[in-house]
Amino acid sequence: NAGVTQTPKFRILKIGQSMTLQCTQDMNHNYMYWYRQDPGMGLKLIYYSVGAGITDKGEVPNGYNVSRSTTEDFPLRLELAAPSQTSVYFCASNSRGYEQYFGPGTRLTVT
Amino acid sequence: QKEVEQDPGPLSVPEGAIVSLNCTYSNSAFQYFMWYRQYSRKGPELLMYTYSSGNKEDGRFTAQVDKSSKYISLFIRDSQPSDSATYLCAMRRGGGADGLTFGKGTHLIIQP
Repeated sequence: NAGVTQTPKFRILKIGQSMTLQCTQDMNHNYMYWYRQDPGMGLKLIYYSVGAGITDKGEVPNGYNVSRSTTEDFPLRLELAAPSQTSVYFCASNSRGYEQYFGPGTRLTVT
Repeated sequence: QKEVEQDPGPLSVPEGAIVSLNCTYSNSAFQYFMWYRQYSRKGPELLMYTYSSGNKEDGRFTAQVDKSSKYISLFIRDSQPSDSATYLCAMRRGGGADGLTFGKGTHLIIQP
């Protein structure tokens, strides 16, 4: 199993541009999550999904959108990039058990 | 008061020492407690997971949870330079879809 994979690894955006961060898991997990991690800070939950077609907001959802059309994929969309969205983004997943597994992250810079 | 407090360090100890890392929290609804290890520019890696109060041991790692004091700890015995990383505590209220609430992480340095 590859686990949780994320693309791209790095990206630089200009203010106002849009992009989609991709996340795929091959563990057949129902639950998937997006977190952001700012320097020297813990991870903060952006959005989560309990299954295909079902998503909900986390602690810091403003400026982001998500969709979940399949069990495997959970993309995160930034519509109008702002400097405050410069961060490292992690996708995670788990089954009914409680051990959440993380991807390697996408490092995003907005200038 | 933040939901989860964790001293960011850095904490520097000599190789072979016992390391103690800890977090305090304010939300008594948290029931599931985890420790993640994060190497520089990598994703968090689950080290230990415990439910409610008690101890759990796995090799050189021991996790302790004291819900009455809202205090969790991770002990690392016979520390190695490869243990140098940031250690994040995380917790959640219930199972299933609950996202994790993280501490800021403690940067640990094991000196050879």
